[in-house]
Amino acid sequence: DGGITQSPKYLFRKEGQNVTLSCEQNLNHDAMYWYRQDPGQGLRLIYYSQIVNDFQKGDIAEGYSVSREKKESFPLTVTSAQKNPTAFYLCASSPPGLRRELFFGEGSRLTVL
Amino acid sequence: SQELEQSPQSLIVQEGKNLTINCTSSKTLYGLYWYKQKYGEGLIFLMMLQKGGEEKSHEKITAKLDEKKQQSSLHITASQPSHAGIYLCGADNPGSARQLTFGSGTQLTVLP
Repeated sequence: DGGITQSPKYLFRKEGQNVTLSCEQNLNHDAMYWYRQDPGQGLRLIYYSQIVNDFQKGDIAEGYSVSREKKESFPLTVTSAQKNPTAFYLCASSPPGLRRELFFGEGSRLTVL
Repeated sequence: SQELEQSPQSLIVQEGKNLTINCTSSKTLYGLYWYKQKYGEGLIFLMMLQKGGEEKSHEKITAKLDEKKQQSSLHITASQPSHAGIYLCGADNPGSARQLTFGSGTQLTVLP
């Protein structure tokens, strides 16, 4: 079945360490997104990519980095520069065309100790 | 950028009761999406509305977009425990290609 796979589902990290969250999709979608979700704040866009080898900053890109070397993959690195990284991270993709329906992965919960 | 306000923030209802969740935009809505999320999981697409006055239904959930295209409501009839979760509305952001702006969500609890 087609879908979006995020890993790991749970991740613990010490302060000062970088961590990379994986996002893989087999839906053949061009556009991919990373959102951060905090309690009571909905989803905030971190980065998005409309095509391979290209990506743009979202509303809260500081302290994060991404790459888009393959259409299927859009990994997110949470760097030590991110001041408050503990959150639930959601990856999504969308098909081409006017509809912007997003297909989401199951999420990754990052806790910084 | 567009801002979406959802109300109420949380809702507790007895099984079998009807309920309504609202999503209000600061600007005209060109596309309004409703999603459902179980705690700690990804979002599941429910419905999309584009035209003023449009109404769509799926099982016991009905979503409407008002004529002025600035407010949407999600109505659940005869709620069941399976309806519990977080409901989020998302709107097309005309200022940027291919991204949605989301409301803060409504936490729904259905008591058996």
